Amino acid sequence: DGGITQSPKYLFRKEGQNVTLSCEQNLNHDAMYWYRQDPGQGLRLIYYSQIVNDFQKGDIAEGYSVSREKKESFPLTVTSAQKNPTAFYLCASTPRGGGTQYFGPGTRLTVL
Amino acid sequence: AQTVTQSQPEMSVQEAETVTLSCTYDTSESDYYLFWYKQPPSRQMILVIRQEAYKQQNATENRFSVNFQKAAKSFSLKISDSQLGDAAMYFCAYRSTNRDDKIIFGKGTRLHILP
Repeated sequence: DGGITQSPKYLFRKEGQNVTLSCEQNLNHDAMYWYRQDPGQGLRLIYYSQIVNDFQKGDIAEGYSVSREKKESFPLTVTSAQKNPTAFYLCASTPRGGGTQYFGPGTRLTVL
Repeated sequence: AQTVTQSQPEMSVQEAETVTLSCTYDTSESDYYLFWYKQPPSRQMILVIRQEAYKQQNATENRFSVNFQKAAKSFSLKISDSQLGDAAMYFCAYRSTNRDDKIIFGKGTRLHILP
């Protein structure tokens, strides 16, 4: 089955800890994205990557970091510098040439 | 910069009735994509319908259709024969045909289906 997987589905973190959210796709898509969604809100772009070994900051990149060492993978690290990290995180990808964006099932991060 | 506006934070419709969700956008480009995404309680984002700006014909997908008014920069979603499973958050989105551009999302409309 082709698609986007995110793990874990639920993640709990203590204050002051870094945590990494996984996003993997087997759709052979070039571009990958990370969004944050707060309750009752829309999506805000954190980081995106058009090609391997390159990525750009989105609208709310502070306190987050990413890497794109492989086409299939785009992990997001939520660092201790992120002051309010409790949220729902969505990963997405688009094929070469752009167009429709496809989403993973999301990760719910809770800071204890 | 492009913007997407959904002016209806919440809407309700009786089961089996028809409802229209509004979306307007602002852009100086002539070619682009427009989308409606559905986010049910599971929070999975699901593509409902897609429209290419160069196509004059309105896109349809079963009970879902759009009214694309390019000059007015309007892109409304019509849901016919509403079903309980249609209850969700609906997001309108814009994307340039420039492959390096990101998608711009509206803030969403929460749709309630009344039995």
